[in-house]
Amino acid sequence: EPEVTQTPSHQVTQMGQEVILRCVPISNHLYFYWYRQILGQKVEFLVSFYNNEISEKSEIFDDQFSVERPDGSNFTLKIRSTKLEDSAMYFCASRETGDSPLHFGNGTRLTVT
Amino acid sequence: SQKIEQNSEALNIQEGKTATLTCNYTNYSPAYLQWYRQDPGRGPVFLLLIRENEKEKRKERLKVTFDTTLKQSLFHITASQPADSATYLCALLDTGRRALTFGSGTRLQVQP
Repeated sequence: EPEVTQTPSHQVTQMGQEVILRCVPISNHLYFYWYRQILGQKVEFLVSFYNNEISEKSEIFDDQFSVERPDGSNFTLKIRSTKLEDSAMYFCASRETGDSPLHFGNGTRLTVT
Repeated sequence: SQKIEQNSEALNIQEGKTATLTCNYTNYSPAYLQWYRQDPGRGPVFLLLIRENEKEKRKERLKVTFDTTLKQSLFHITASQPADSATYLCALLDTGRRALTFGSGTRLQVQP
């Protein structure tokens, strides 16, 4: 069964550094998402992306965050200048239509020191 | 304010019994509600979807009910097994929005 893949599985970075988290969604899916989960807390929506543009974003997704689909297969999340509170598990998800279930990757654990 | 509430306390049950998990929401008008399973260190995995005009949905040992008057969904696992031990998340799509909002989840522990 096709799956969403995320790399790396774990990223450690210093405060103030830029990080790029990478995702390969399922190939025939049209809607792409980033969620995050701080340890012990709930899964929180960051941003949705459709037709090569952001369709919705949360208050968490401020100017430090950006997303890109550079080549028709990868979907990336960039954090420009990381803060300690950005430490979390970041999940990429995709779905075929606006109504179908989300398929999640297994996440990138980001640790900011 | 908007809230999705799931029991934060873990639910412990004996193998073979039925597990019932609750999801209550406030100040949402969901087009549909979904249930996901999450294992430690993994992404959520979709289980069931129920729409606002549906009362009940079943899939194998799983059953979901949706009461828009009570603003509540119940998720049942019948004949539970230790392999069902996980955190179960409810998520809803608010009318007019494009992204799911998740509850904080309930951890289920099935004892052999």
